[in-house]
Amino acid sequence: DTAVSQTPKYLVTQMGNDKSIKCEQNLGHDTMYWYKQDSKKFLKIMFSYNNKELIINETVPNRFSPKSPDKAHLNLHINSLELGDSAVYFCASRTSGTNEQFFGPGTRLTVL
Amino acid sequence: DAKTTQPTSMDCAEGRAANLPCNHSTISGNEYVYWYRQIHSQGPQYIIHGLKNNETNEMASLIITEDRKSSTLILPHATLRDTAVYYCIVRSLYSGGGADGLTFGKGTHLIIQP
Repeated sequence: DTAVSQTPKYLVTQMGNDKSIKCEQNLGHDTMYWYKQDSKKFLKIMFSYNNKELIINETVPNRFSPKSPDKAHLNLHINSLELGDSAVYFCASRTSGTNEQFFGPGTRLTVL
Repeated sequence: DAKTTQPTSMDCAEGRAANLPCNHSTISGNEYVYWYRQIHSQGPQYIIHGLKNNETNEMASLIITEDRKSSTLILPHATLRDTAVYYCIVRSLYSGGGADGLTFGKGTHLIIQP
């Protein structure tokens, strides 16, 4: 009965590769997010997505692209991975009218 | 969003009440106070939120001062599993969708001592 799930939990890859992280929520929420938590533990918003409207944090490189096949999924595609992309990535969701966000367990990405 | 200030770390004995302060002196009238926590190696977890009245749920109580410039999160009977980083976030309540995400500061690392 997991509310927000992410796959994979761990991802180790080489520089220059392209990879995807999947996120699914079964809460019926209409807004989903991707956050990045770096090695210093700072948690920063990357994207928010609602009703096909995408809001991008201006600091996110265009190598990162979220894709939503339906309201329950928001996948994160990353092209040409760099060492600095190593971090834990969290997916989250909420419903309209609240700031109570539900977070997934995170995906630890390591770029070698 | 209004800026918040929290102590970097705090200790609390197991079984005692943990009181976590947060200053938000620039909070505006339509902004709520939210608390989240992040237990090691897990995603952040919503705890509670409030506007001006004190709030209580099964996890915690939130006390907001009358001038709304500061608040305190209270965990009434702390357990070892409450060891986590606690984040105080101030922002307005969304009436619709498609807005930006939460802004997390450094938070308070609460350590519950056995």
